[in-house]
Amino acid sequence: EAAVTQSPRNKVAVTGGKVTLSCNQTNNHNNMYWYRQDTGHGLRLIHYSYGAGSTEKGDIPDGYKASRPSQENFSLILELATPSQTSVYFCASGSGGGSYEQYFGPGTRLTVL
Amino acid sequence: GEKVEQHESTLSVREGDSAVINCTYTDTASSYFPWYKQEAGKGLHFVIDIRSNVDRKQSQRLIVLLDKKAKRFSLHITATQPEDSAIYFCAAKGYNVLYFGSGTKLTVEP
Repeated sequence: EAAVTQSPRNKVAVTGGKVTLSCNQTNNHNNMYWYRQDTGHGLRLIHYSYGAGSTEKGDIPDGYKASRPSQENFSLILELATPSQTSVYFCASGSGGGSYEQYFGPGTRLTVL
Repeated sequence: GEKVEQHESTLSVREGDSAVINCTYTDTASSYFPWYKQEAGKGLHFVIDIRSNVDRKQSQRLIVLLDKKAKRFSLHITATQPEDSAIYFCAAKGYNVLYFGSGTKLTVEP
C-alpha cells in the first residue's frame, strides 16, 4: 500500500524561527505536494514537485520554500515562521501521468507562538 | 486558476438515510473530479472520482454525479453508516494539481 510519512507530527516554534517539515514516500511517485489545512479554507496548495530537484509554486507559496533532494523526500521550509503559519500541513504523493490520485500523509500540526 | 466551492460545511443525517454533498467549479476545462475522506486526526484518502466523459459513477454505496453544463458535481452516500462520519472534500483537477473545496463535515447519527 502507498505510504507517505511526515515528521514531526507536532511542532511548536517561535516567531522568527526556522522550521523544516519533512515528508517521505515509498511509492516511487514522481509528484509530491505540500498543503495546509485551515478551517473554512479546506486544503490549499503551497508547493509541489515533479521529481528530484524540481519545485513549483502552488497557490500560497509566500513565506515557504520547498526542497526535493530525492524521489522519496520533499521538505517544506519556513525560514522566518510567523503566527499566521500556524496550521496543519499535509504532504501527498502522486504518480502523475494519467493518474491523478494523491496519497496523503498523516499531517503535521504546527503552532507558531 | 480553478476555484472549487463546497456548499455544505456541515451535514447531519440519520443512519440509513442518504447524504448529498454538492460542489461547483469554475474552469470549463476541468475534466477530473475526485472525492476524498478525512477521518478525525488523519490524512485524506481517496474514495471515488469521476471524469468528464461520464455523468454518473457508482462504487458500492457512493454515487458521483457530474453536470458539466452547470459546472456542478455531487457525492451521494446511500444507506449511511456511523463509519461514514468524516470530513469529505471535493476537488477538481487543474494543470497537474488538484484544487480542493473547503470540506463538509458529515455526521451520521444512530
